Amino acid sequence: SQQGEEDPQALSIQEGENATMNCSYKTSINNLQWYRQNSGRGLVHLILIRSNEREKHSGRLRVTLDTSKKSSSLLITASRAADTASYFCATAVWGSYKLIFGSGTRLLVRP
Amino acid sequence: EPEVTQTPSHQVTQMGQEVILRCVPISNHLYFYWYRQILGQKVEFLVSFYNNEISEKSEIFDDQFSVERPDGSNFTLKIRSTKLEDSAMYFCASSVEGNEKLFFGSGTQLSVL
Repeated sequence: SQQGEEDPQALSIQEGENATMNCSYKTSINNLQWYRQNSGRGLVHLILIRSNEREKHSGRLRVTLDTSKKSSSLLITASRAADTASYFCATAVWGSYKLIFGSGTRLLVRP
Repeated sequence: EPEVTQTPSHQVTQMGQEVILRCVPISNHLYFYWYRQILGQKVEFLVSFYNNEISEKSEIFDDQFSVERPDGSNFTLKIRSTKLEDSAMYFCASSVEGNEKLFFGSGTQLSVL
């Protein structure tokens, strides 16, 4: 897989359920970030986890990072219809200013 | 909450024409970026800008592309001679720290006919 690949590509859940999205990458990273994109809009930063961190929380979001497996997961607890969006992981490598985005997971939360 | 603003929201142009996409980053941010997203594809890095110069650019950012920060508030992307394959949503972003917590604008949808 390429740097920053998410799975599943699409996820449909009922409101109130938890949603888990996974991201895999290939090279060593400085940090990994998750962004949300509502249809046709700009990306919104959700959470950043550094390479020396294993888990981070922000509200209903929980992110884990396993650098040995080069993977990360984003958990959204108690999902709401307003969480419907595409979610992207983006990796930052040492010495570079660019973020490498994955292909995203399209999340649909049914009311 | 401060936000990155982009104009225009939509731009239609003929192949070979020059276009300028405009952005106003968040005022206390130091790092500025352009990304693009072709329909159905990944968000791709084009260029980063810091301390009034390009800090990094991708292979996409060839001689047809240029960026400028003309007046301390605006940040522009110019495409000199547009091609059909330049059709995409172009996003401007800014950040306080390099490569951390980017704030994105709503994008300019560029259509090259």
